Amino acid sequence: NAGVTQTPKFRVLKTGQSMTLLCAQDMNHEYMYWYRQDPGMGLRLIHYSVGEGTTAKGEVPDGYNVSRLKKQNFLLGLESAAPSQTSVYFCASTGQGRSYEQYFGPGTRLTVT
Amino acid sequence: AQSVAQPEDQVNVAEGNPLTVKCTYSVSGNPYLFWYVQYPNRGLQFLLKYITGDNLVKGSYGFEAEFNKSQTSFHLKKPSALVSDSALYFCAVRDTGANNLFFGTGTRLTVIP
Repeated sequence: NAGVTQTPKFRVLKTGQSMTLLCAQDMNHEYMYWYRQDPGMGLRLIHYSVGEGTTAKGEVPDGYNVSRLKKQNFLLGLESAAPSQTSVYFCASTGQGRSYEQYFGPGTRLTVT
Repeated sequence: AQSVAQPEDQVNVAEGNPLTVKCTYSVSGNPYLFWYVQYPNRGLQFLLKYITGDNLVKGSYGFEAEFNKSQTSFHLKKPSALVSDSALYFCAVRDTGANNLFFGTGTRLTVIP
């Protein structure tokens, strides 16, 4: 199993450009998450999904959109990138049941100039 | 609202000495607590969790954590530190209304040879 994979690994955008980050998991997990990691701030939840076709806002959703058309994929979109969105983005997933631990992808480092 | 605090940004310890990384929590209801580790340029890896039962939880790589309800703490410990333990450590608490996790700001552990 590959676990949780993310593409791309690195990206540089100019202000106002758009892009989509792809997260894929092969563990048949119901729940998927997008976080951003900034120095001194830990991980903050952007959006999450509790199943195929569902999405919900997390702690810092502004400027981002998400879609979960297939159970194994969770897409994060930036419609008009801003320098404040320079960050490292992590996707995670977890299954149903009482384990609760999340499995993380390797991250995408995004720079907006 | 659920939250965790990691009071130390940085912890330095000599190789072979015991290490402690501190975490305190604030939750309504029973806490579900987690520790994750992040090595450079990698995603987070699950170390251990407390959901119920024994207050001393054992996890991966020889780490353990002690749940203390009266002090609302969940400190990560290891009897003998290795240089390879040097990494960024995150404490997290589960949102009681969902499967989301709230992360602390992280503690950078450096083990000095």
